[in-house]
Amino acid sequence: GAGVSQSPSNKVTEKGKDVELRCDPISGHTALYWYRQSLGQGLEFLIYFQGNSAPDKSGLPSDRFSAERTGGSVSTLTIQRTQQEDSAVYLCASSSLRLAGGPYEQYFGPGTRLTVT
Amino acid sequence: GESVGLHLPTLSVQEGDNSIINCAYSNSASDYFIWYKQESGKGPQFIIDIRSNMDKRQGQRVTVLLNKTVKHLSLQIAATQPGDSAVYFCAENETGFQKLVFGTGTRLLVSP
Repeated sequence: GAGVSQSPSNKVTEKGKDVELRCDPISGHTALYWYRQSLGQGLEFLIYFQGNSAPDKSGLPSDRFSAERTGGSVSTLTIQRTQQEDSAVYLCASSSLRLAGGPYEQYFGPGTRLTVT
Repeated sequence: GESVGLHLPTLSVQEGDNSIINCAYSNSASDYFIWYKQESGKGPQFIIDIRSNMDKRQGQRVTVLLNKTVKHLSLQIAATQPGDSAVYFCAENETGFQKLVFGTGTRLLVSP
């Protein structure tokens, strides 16, 4: 079956513009995560969606960042008024919570490389 | 998901050697740990996991060791192959929290 897909794969934008990044999780996965990976760094948690529960937004770095998940499937991460420090690879992951005692293996997409000029 | 970085610790080995990649974690309450492999231009890929009630877990050519006393995790790769060249991340989780906390990664370079 298809894995997690993300689009676009690369995005170059001018400082101050808004961008939208899309994630299509694995079908049936109820949990969806967004991470940011800066050059030479590990993965920084941004936001987590689980079913119809309120998302965990504790990792969003500023109010310029927001995300939504429509119909429990596709998610969009929006960055408003982009800054150069927003340049990074944005990774999406999904997981299934069929088993008790989570968390479970997260399946990652290939990421979107965002460059703010 | 590219993880190219000039400042990543790097482990260079010869093909056929055994590799050991180390990770120190920070949260003494973490009770679930995962190792991920990230190849250039790709997202991280699950390798192996371990829960805190275990000290060791083995997979195919990989072994994870957990030392809770010193909050240390290691990944051992037997008979390392050129295809193992990648950046390896450890991640920790505390029950009740869904997010994973990732380490900064170690680059493994395997020479034929």
